[in-house]
Amino acid sequence: GEQVEQLPSILRVQEGSSASINCSYEDSASNYFPWYKQEPGENPKLIIDIRSNMERKQIQELIVLLDKKAKRFSLHITDTQPGDSAMYFCAASTGANTGKLTFGHGTILRVHP
Amino acid sequence: GPKVLQIPSHQIIDMGQMVTLNCDPVSNHLYFYWYKQILGQQMEFLVNFYNGKVMEKSKLFKDQFSVERPDGSYFTLKIQPTALEDSAVYFCASSMDWGEDEQYFGPGTRLTVL
Repeated sequence: GEQVEQLPSILRVQEGSSASINCSYEDSASNYFPWYKQEPGENPKLIIDIRSNMERKQIQELIVLLDKKAKRFSLHITDTQPGDSAMYFCAASTGANTGKLTFGHGTILRVHP
Repeated sequence: GPKVLQIPSHQIIDMGQMVTLNCDPVSNHLYFYWYKQILGQQMEFLVNFYNGKVMEKSKLFKDQFSVERPDGSYFTLKIQPTALEDSAVYFCASSMDWGEDEQYFGPGTRLTVL
């Protein structure tokens, strides 16, 4: 299968705290895992990605972890700010390496001041 | 950064009519994609396209759908005839390479079929 499960669907955190979003995938041949941030009425924008040859990647306050054995990956936003409020989507490439991305259902993140 | 443009931003048509959605991908990108997003849900892959050919399509890419990029101009998604369930936002994306390369998404075309 190619399904990507994403949890939670809604996440409310206090400004300055951390937020974590978890995804799992089915296709063991998936090798590319991007995360997109989408604001209302806007296009999705890539914020960070990780490839299967890595277990951890960090860009400033964004950390992604990949556990290939468990077929899970996660996004952690440290020191959240109100500007981080948006919809976040995880995605996984298919094993056929054709560029097809399967997206999770999305997480609405609300950062409260 | 690199930008993907989509025209029009909104389109309202009657069921059964034909519609063409236009995408201007990033200029040096070679791989193009269409995704469909129903309000509040995730993007779902429709089709990818390279070197004038469809490489892969999903079950959502019905027989009424077609894509082309004539002479390096717009990458288009045509739906003929449209159905009520085609109402959604359609995102075009492009990438330099296959597989593990970043896909840049356009702003989307909101299609409403009445």
